[in-house]
Formats: sequence, C-alpha cells, structure tokens
Amino acid sequence: EAQVTQNPRYLITVTGKKLTVTCSQNMNHEYMSWYRQDPGLGLRQIYYSMNVEVTDKGDVPEGYKVSRKEKRNFPLILESPSPNQTSLYFCASSFVAGGLAEQFFGPGTRLTVL
Amino acid sequence: SQQGEEDPQALSIQEGENATMNCSYKTSINNLQWYRQNSGRGLVHLILIRSNEREKHSGRLRVTLDTSKKSSSLLITASRAADTASYFCATDASDSWGKLQFGAGTQVVVTP
Repeated sequence: EAQVTQNPRYLITVTGKKLTVTCSQNMNHEYMSWYRQDPGLGLRQIYYSMNVEVTDKGDVPEGYKVSRKEKRNFPLILESPSPNQTSLYFCASSFVAGGLAEQFFGPGTRLTVL
Repeated sequence: SQQGEEDPQALSIQEGENATMNCSYKTSINNLQWYRQNSGRGLVHLILIRSNEREKHSGRLRVTLDTSKKSSSLLITASRAADTASYFCATDASDSWGKLQFGAGTQVVVTP
C-alpha cells in the first residue's frame, strides 16, 4: 500500500530534550516536506527536499533541522525543543512534474513540549 | 507568509445544498491544489488545477481558476454529512520552487 508513515504519532517531552520525528514514504517520490499545523494558521512549511541531499527552508525553519540521506526518509530533528514548538506536524511527499504534484500526507505527529 | 487565503472561514449548510469556498493568492503559480482534512487527521488531496486550466471536475467537486484575479473556487454539489471537514487550498508558486503554501482553511459543517 502506498503510504507516508510518521513516528511517533504522539509525543510529550520536556524543553531542551532532543527529539527526532521520522517520516518514510514507499512511493519513490523525489519531493518531501514537513509542515506544522496550529489552530487558525493552517499548515506552515518547515523544510522541504527536492531530492536526496537537497534540502531547503520553508516559511518557519527556526528550531528545526532535517536531512535527506535516502530517498524514502526525511526525518525532522528538534535539537532543543521549546514550548512554542508544541504543534501537530505533518510529513508529505510527491512527484515533481512541471511543478509539485499532489501531496501524500502522513497521519500526523502531535507534539507537546512542556 | 500565507500565499492562499480561503473565504469564508466557516460554512454551515444542510445536506443536499451546495457549498462554495474561495481561495485568493498573491503571486504567479504553477498550480493550485485543494485538500480536505477531517478533524486532526492527515490531509487528503482533492483536485490539482494547473495555471493554464480554467475549470476542473471530479465527481461532485468543481474547481475554477482565474489567474487574472489570482483566485480559485471549490464547489461541492449535493453535499453530504460526510463532507464535513476543513478544506484548504495550496499554491505551488512559480517563483518559489518547492514551496507549497497553504491557506488557513474553510471549516465546512453539513447537517443532516
């Protein structure tokens, strides 16, 4: 089954404790992206990757890191989480064909930073 | 900054009625995409319309695009309770390769 998986689905942590949220897709998509969703703000793009070893900042990259060592994986790293990073996070992937194709979204990771 | 802005923010209709929501954006685009999200879950792609297209249909969904006005509309005909969800437009800007920007969404409630 074609899908985007994220782990963990729920995470409660404390300020300053490094964490990684994993994202994996099995559709051989070139493009992968991370978003955060906060009430009333829609989805805001954190980082995106057009292909392996190519990453770029989205609109809200501060406090996050990413890497794209393999085509299928795109982990999101919070080196020193803070309470303002409490949010619902989504990973997405797609092909690239004359622009970004339809995005396939993961189920989301609900992160709470105390 | 948010490229796409949906209007209205919320919409309440009865089953069988049509629901229309609009999206405005600011810069030139490669395409515009519409998504649906059921409460707190992942987004599901509905329709992608390219900048050289004016109208597209998929089942009970109809999307229009007016690039001169930088706006798009999503029409859901003969709505059902299962259409209750938030709807988002997303723009793939032609001058920001790889950036997909979402609006804040329209919350649609369909009552039986």
